[in-house]
Parts: sequence; structure tokens; C-alpha cells
Amino acid sequence: AQSVTQLGSHVSVSEGALVLLRCNYSSSVPPYLFWYVQYPNQGLQLLLKYTTGATLVKGINGFEAEFKKSETSFHLTKPSAHMSDAAEYFCAVSTFDSARQLTFGSGTQLTVLP
Amino acid sequence: DAMVIQNPRYQVTQFGKPVTLSCSQTLNHNVMYWYQQKSSQAPKLLFHYYDKDFNNEADTPDNFQSRRPNTSFCFLDIRSPGLGDAAMYLCATSTGYNEQFFGPGTRLTVL
Repeated sequence: AQSVTQLGSHVSVSEGALVLLRCNYSSSVPPYLFWYVQYPNQGLQLLLKYTTGATLVKGINGFEAEFKKSETSFHLTKPSAHMSDAAEYFCAVSTFDSARQLTFGSGTQLTVLP
Repeated sequence: DAMVIQNPRYQVTQFGKPVTLSCSQTLNHNVMYWYQQKSSQAPKLLFHYYDKDFNNEADTPDNFQSRRPNTSFCFLDIRSPGLGDAAMYLCATSTGYNEQFFGPGTRLTVL
């Protein structure tokens, strides 16, 4: 079975500052990793994913994440926060043998201060 | 654009009155999911269909049922909604590998 831990249920950054949202996973087999964003009263939108290959993955809206196997981490970053980035962010994991199911972290609410 | 559609976006029902939420997809994905999401929590999987094969999560209450009459449509039936069932209900689809694609959700209010 796999699990996901998101450190920090609430993160605040100033507009223009670096965004760093932390995600650590646990999996006994190679993971597939995802970051989703959710705006109020909306569904989840995929930001980026890692399955195989390059460990630094780029997503939409200027976000990127790096898969670090040795640290079992998949932290999400963006160099410069924009007011429109304020939302809930979920990290999720699946594996090849459980590919139909996602295990979500508890989420991180990002606030962007003017 | 290919997408996942949920209707209605907002649903109000009375305590104990059956309600049905609908989901349709134009992605032609063979897997469809229903999630329940309460405020400030992660989505919780209720069940999923792999084609016509129904897979129920062990802790999904019997009060929740689902139907998938064809590839494109999936329904969530709540037989006797309680106050604790007020939540956002999310439908998602996938090919069975890689990411899931989510609809906009239906927010259910129980009076």
C-alpha cells in the first residue's frame, strides 16, 4: 500500500515569492506521482505528473516538481507566486499494480499575499 | 474539448429524500470514479467502474449506490441522504493507467 504526506496544511507566500509545497510518499514499488490543484467549488485539475523518465517535470501555470527517490519526495515549486495561484493543492500517488486508484495527501491551502 | 461533465452543479435535497447525481464523459475512458469530498479534506473514493465491473470501497455506506448504463454515463444514487452526506461529489475518469480527469463537481446540500 502507498501513502502520501503533505507537510503544512496552510502555506502563505507573498506575490512574487517562491512557492514550495512539500510532498513525501511511501511506496514499496516505483510510484506514479501527481499534483492536482483545486479552486473553490471546482473539481481537481492536473498540474503535473511523474511516471518514468526525467525526474524534473514541468507542468501548467509555471509549476514544476522533482522526483527524488532517495528522499521519497515530490515537492512542488513555482519561482514567482501569482495571486491566481491561491488554491488547494493535492499530491497523489499510484503504482503500476494499483494504477486505477489514487492515494491523496491531505492537501495544502496556498494563500498568496499582495 | 473532451471533458467530464457533472449535473447539476448544485443540488439541494431534504433529509431522507433520494437524490441522483449524474456524470458524463466525452473522453471514452473505461474507468469512472465517484468521490466524496468534505470541506478542507482530500477526496474520498466511494467506488469505481472498470468498464461494467463495479468496485465498491469497503467503507462506502450502503446508502450510496451507482449505475453505469454505458461508457459515457455514470450515476450516483443516495437513497436516504443524511445531514452527514452534505459534501462535494466529484466524478473522475481514467484509462486505468496514469492520471484521473475530474469533473467540476456537484455540491450537495441536505436540509
